[in-house]
Amino acid sequence: NAGVTQTPKFQVLKTGQSMTLQCAQDMNHNSMYWYRQDPGMGLRLIYYSASEGTTDKGEVPNGYNVSRLNKREFSLRLESAAPSQTSVYFCASSAQRGGIYGYTFGSGTRLTVV
Amino acid sequence: EDKVVQSPLSLVVHEGDTVTLNCSYEVTNFRSLLWYKQEKKAPTFLFMLTSSGIEKKSGRLSSILDKKELSSILNITATQTGDSAIYLCAVGSNAGNMLTFGGGTRLMVKP
Repeated sequence: NAGVTQTPKFQVLKTGQSMTLQCAQDMNHNSMYWYRQDPGMGLRLIYYSASEGTTDKGEVPNGYNVSRLNKREFSLRLESAAPSQTSVYFCASSAQRGGIYGYTFGSGTRLTVV
Repeated sequence: EDKVVQSPLSLVVHEGDTVTLNCSYEVTNFRSLLWYKQEKKAPTFLFMLTSSGIEKKSGRLSSILDKKELSSILNITATQTGDSAIYLCAVGSNAGNMLTFGGGTRLMVKP
């Protein structure tokens, strides 16, 4: 079982460049999430998709956009990368709305913006 | 606004010690509390606690939910270097669209 697959695992961008982080799950989960994790800050929610066809802002959405392409895929786009977006990004999914029985996480993307 | 606070922020112990990690929460319409262990990669699931399952145990790890005090503890006995990780607490709400995470406790176990 693949679970949640994120690509790429590592990326270095120059300030102003754009990129898309891909996430796909094969568990038929309804809800998907994008988090960033910075040292000492815990996990902060960027965007989420409660179900196919819907997306909503989380705690730190500025500078990001998302697309819920279908039930399996939820991508995160940085239109013009900034050094403040250097972080580790995690995609997660859950069968139940709100993840009340837990998330399944992807392995993460380590992004550095120089 | 839902809130989850973990303490301590970090902890250094020696192998064989017992540790207790704390998680307190303020959540509208509480449904579940989850503990995760994060080593170098993604968080991995440890326990889920609910009103109908307030105590869980797996090997040297155990966790208790205190609904009256709105808190939970994670105990690790006879710690090993492999227990070194960040431990995350998260709370789920019937009224919410996502889990609310605490800031984590970083545990380091020295040989």
